Amino acid sequence: GAGVSQSPSNKVTEKGKDVELRCDPISGHTALYWYRQSLGQGLEFLIYFQGNSAPDKSGLPSDRFSAERTGGSVSTLTIQRTQQEDSAVYLCASSLYQGEGYGYTFGSGTRLTVV
Amino acid sequence: GESVGLHLPTLSVQEGDNSIINCAYSNSASDYFIWYKQESGKGPQFIIDIRSNMDKRQGQRVTVLLNKTVKHLSLQIAATQPGDSAVYFCAEKGGNNRLAFGKGNQVVVIP
Repeated sequence: GAGVSQSPSNKVTEKGKDVELRCDPISGHTALYWYRQSLGQGLEFLIYFQGNSAPDKSGLPSDRFSAERTGGSVSTLTIQRTQQEDSAVYLCASSLYQGEGYGYTFGSGTRLTVV
Repeated sequence: GESVGLHLPTLSVQEGDNSIINCAYSNSASDYFIWYKQESGKGPQFIIDIRSNMDKRQGQRVTVLLNKTVKHLSLQIAATQPGDSAVYFCAEKGGNNRLAFGKGNQVVVIP
């Protein structure tokens, strides 16, 4: 597509439930990133996929968080047994990861509210 | 570890004036820097980038300055417009091939 697409745009869930957040990157972008942004804060790195390499999971805050990327394209971020502190905007970005224009293209994010 | 931060949390500027947003970084090995703009309810948008072999780069109404000696990055916006009201983030690319972002700086344009 023309940009990075994330769904849903908003998600309200009850504490303890599992949620899945979806990211459709720009076609042909080999790198995909998930970040978390809490209210008034910067972007916290979660996980990074690059081609067929093993993902960099060093930013995942706990084992309740996991992500996968199928076929080198769509990615799903799963949060199990959600807690109130998981409430944030979850941003996905993709990039070509080569040469100039290293910058990421971000989606509009999924606003997750845990009640 | 890597650390990217901004000096001022909020900048209020009169419409038509120039804006300057500053950013300090700590990783002297970083070789690529980007400024992003984030409007309310949207993801960050790429504004301009600069490589470490440069000290200045200009775009449309924006200029990025890099001072590697003091590890300082700035974004200058000329003739600030109401549409420039947003949060601005600087980001650096270090050896792990991913970007580290600062906390952001709110710019408020006063009509």
